[in-house]
Formats: sequence, C-alpha cells, structure tokens
Amino acid sequence: AQSVTQLGSHVSVSEGALVLLRCNYSSSVPPYLFWYVQYPNQGLQLLLKYTTGATLVKGINGFEAEFKKSETSFHLTKPSAHMSDAAEYFCAVSGSGTASKLTFGTGTRLQVTL
Amino acid sequence: DSGVTQTPKHLITATGQRVTLRCSPRSGDLSVYWYQQSLDQGLQFLIQYYNGEERAKGNILERFSAQQFPDLHSELNLSSLELGDSALYFCASSVVGGLEAFFGQGTRLTVV
Repeated sequence: AQSVTQLGSHVSVSEGALVLLRCNYSSSVPPYLFWYVQYPNQGLQLLLKYTTGATLVKGINGFEAEFKKSETSFHLTKPSAHMSDAAEYFCAVSGSGTASKLTFGTGTRLQVTL
Repeated sequence: DSGVTQTPKHLITATGQRVTLRCSPRSGDLSVYWYQQSLDQGLQFLIQYYNGEERAKGNILERFSAQQFPDLHSELNLSSLELGDSALYFCASSVVGGLEAFFGQGTRLTVV
C-alpha cells in the first residue's frame, strides 16, 4: 500500500519568504510523486511530478521539489512567496501501471501575509 | 483549463434521492478516476475505469456506482443519498494509470 503524510495542516509565511511544505511517502514499489494545488472553489492543478530521473523537479509558478529516497521525502519549496500562492497544497503518490491511483495526503493550507 | 469537464457544477437534492454526475475526460485519455473531497475525509479515491473497464476500487459505498462508456465519458451514480454524502466530487483523467491525472472543476453535491 502507498501513502503520503503531509506535516502541518496550516503553514503561514510572509510575502517574499521561503515556502517549505513537507511530504513524506511510504511505498513498497518505486513511487511516482506529485504536488497539486487547489485554489478556493477550484479543481486540483498539477504543480510538478517526479517519476524517474532527476531528483530535483521544477514545476509551475516557481515551485520545485526534491525526491530524497533515503529520507522518503518529497518536500515542496519556493524561494519567495507571493500573495497569489495562498491555497491548499496536496502531495500524492502512485505506482505505475494501468490500475494505479493517486493517493493524497491530507493537504496543507498555505497562508501568505504582508 | 484542464480539459476535463464535469457536469453539473452544483447539485442540491434531498435525502433518499438518486443523482448522476457526468465526466468527460481529456481527449485521448483512457483512464478516468472519481474522487470525493469532504472536510472530514479529505480526498478519497472512489473508483477508476480504464478504457471502459473497472480497474481499481477504493472507498466507494455500495450505494454508489460508476461506468465508463465507449466514448470514454464516465458517470457516477449516487443513490439513497444521505446528508453525509454532501461533498465535492472530482473526476480526473490520465493517458494511462500512474501518470499525472488532470482534474475537472468538480461537482458540489449538497444533500438536504
């Protein structure tokens, strides 16, 4: 079975500060890892993904994440927060194959203050 | 715009009723997933179809059922509705399983 744990249901940062959202995964097979963002009353939008290859993954809106197998982590970072980054962020894991589904973490709500 | 279309956007219905939620996947995507999002349960996987066949089942109640049609659109049927079924229901699609899924805007179901 696969699972992800997101540490911190709420994170608050000042505009211009570093954003760090934490995600740890558990998987018995090589995982595919994803970060999604959900703005109020919207669907989920893919920020970035890790499947194979380079462990530092760059996504949209200046976000990036690093796959660390030794730490079973896939933390999301952004050097400088913008007000528009305020949203809920979900980490997700899946395996490969046609019967693989995304298993989501509980989400982290990011608040950006002036 | 993800390319995944869900209808209706909002649905209000009474307890005991039956509703059907519809999803049109992105062009070319064979895999369709249904998720339920609620405050207490978070994002829960319900069911997956791949090219018309059921491929994986999650925490889907027996009162709920789904199907994927030859044109690859999918429907989620919810029956004998209870207050606790009130939630956002998302459909997502992907080319094959395991790769990134693209989500629709969701159907907000309110059971009164």
